[in-house]
Amino acid sequence: DTAVSQTPKYLVTQMGNDKSIKCEQNLGHDTMYWYKQDSKKFLKIMFSYNNKELIINETVPNRFSPKSPDKAHLNLHINSLELGDSAVYFCASSQGETSRETQYFGPGTRLLVL
Amino acid sequence: ELKVEQNPLFLSMQEGKNYTIYCNYSTTSDRLYWYRQDPGKSLESLFVLLSNGAVKQEGRLMASLDTKARLSTLHITAAVHDLSATYFCAALNNDMRFGAGTRLTVKP
Repeated sequence: DTAVSQTPKYLVTQMGNDKSIKCEQNLGHDTMYWYKQDSKKFLKIMFSYNNKELIINETVPNRFSPKSPDKAHLNLHINSLELGDSAVYFCASSQGETSRETQYFGPGTRLLVL
Repeated sequence: ELKVEQNPLFLSMQEGKNYTIYCNYSTTSDRLYWYRQDPGKSLESLFVLLSNGAVKQEGRLMASLDTKARLSTLHITAAVHDLSATYFCAALNNDMRFGAGTRLTVKP
């Protein structure tokens, strides 16, 4: 069974569209994350979220919004997609409510905005 | 603003040799992370270092943290081909910042 899964794996879309990426973890973890890796392989954390706190990287445009229907899911919704949003987006989870624990990553979603 | 610098960015080494990857960060950090990424693959968490003097080892990899020097190292012992990957460090205070990554190639 996949511990952290993401759908879709690939997403090709037009500028201006709205899209969502889904993430599910079956590890019983308390905290989930979204990361972005650009074409130069630079990594950036976008959000971390547990049932008590959403921490947003202030550099993330407000077109990006995390939505958590329950503890096992943290979806990423993106409004008005731009060319610069093209990247690989990784979801991750960890035990506990802090970032002291090992993170487990999903396989990534490769987003291409045309 | 927290900045993280890794060096070297590219490392080619022979099997059986030892080497160290360095990770410097610019401001006080609560913790330091090391990750591995194979080409076209996801990230794998290697180590989480939580305090000054922390040392963690897994197989041929050993990570350490010196918070006074704002430096973490990832030491590779007797490298094997399977260690070829890109290694990222990341530091955390109010923000989390990643280094640019060290692309390691281990040659026979």
